[in-house]
Amino acid sequence: GAVVSQHPSRVICKSGTSVKIECRSLDFQATTMFWYRQFPKKSLMLMATSNEGSKATYEQGVEKDKFLINHASLTLSTLTVTSAHPEDSSFYICSATYTDTQYFGPGTRLTVL
Amino acid sequence: SQKIEQNSEALNIQEGKTATLTCNYTNYSPAYLQWYRQDPGRGPVFLLLIRENEKEKRKERLKVTFDTTLKQSLFHITASQPADSATYLCALDPREAGTALIFGKGTTLSVSS
Repeated sequence: GAVVSQHPSRVICKSGTSVKIECRSLDFQATTMFWYRQFPKKSLMLMATSNEGSKATYEQGVEKDKFLINHASLTLSTLTVTSAHPEDSSFYICSATYTDTQYFGPGTRLTVL
Repeated sequence: SQKIEQNSEALNIQEGKTATLTCNYTNYSPAYLQWYRQDPGRGPVFLLLIRENEKEKRKERLKVTFDTTLKQSLFHITASQPADSATYLCALDPREAGTALIFGKGTTLSVSS
């Protein structure tokens, strides 16, 4: 149990386009999901907390207009990187909490050309 | 604010030996502490959770200890194998419901045959 999926696993896009990443809790309901960003050989960096039915809470320094988060149901949160630029290229990971434990998705590798 | 430190960025050991990873925290004693494994290009995978009233927890070749006096957790992998090579993350409960775990930067373990 407690499986989190992400889609797509890998995406390449042109600069200026928007990319949507989906995070799903497959066998449990998650009122809260978290979005992280990770650079090569660096630690996880929390971007935002996604709350079902309400606005996301963004960490300091994360542009909310750049990284749009929608948590429309108890099993789905989406992260949209708007007007992507090469510096947005990174590994994006979501997680959801189930019985005190955060379960992570497999991650999405975004490459912006 | 709570700070969490994983003393070594990297740990190299020989196959068959016991790997011991350290996690220290500086502020309040967490209600629980967790260990995750992360492989390159993948999301973290939950391994073990230990609560403040537990001294030790085991799962197959893994053992976690929790010393609230020393403010420290030790993570042991016995009879280590090259397949155990990965980055191991320590995480503390945030004390505030609906907020993310507090993660250490991780220790990268390399087990050579």
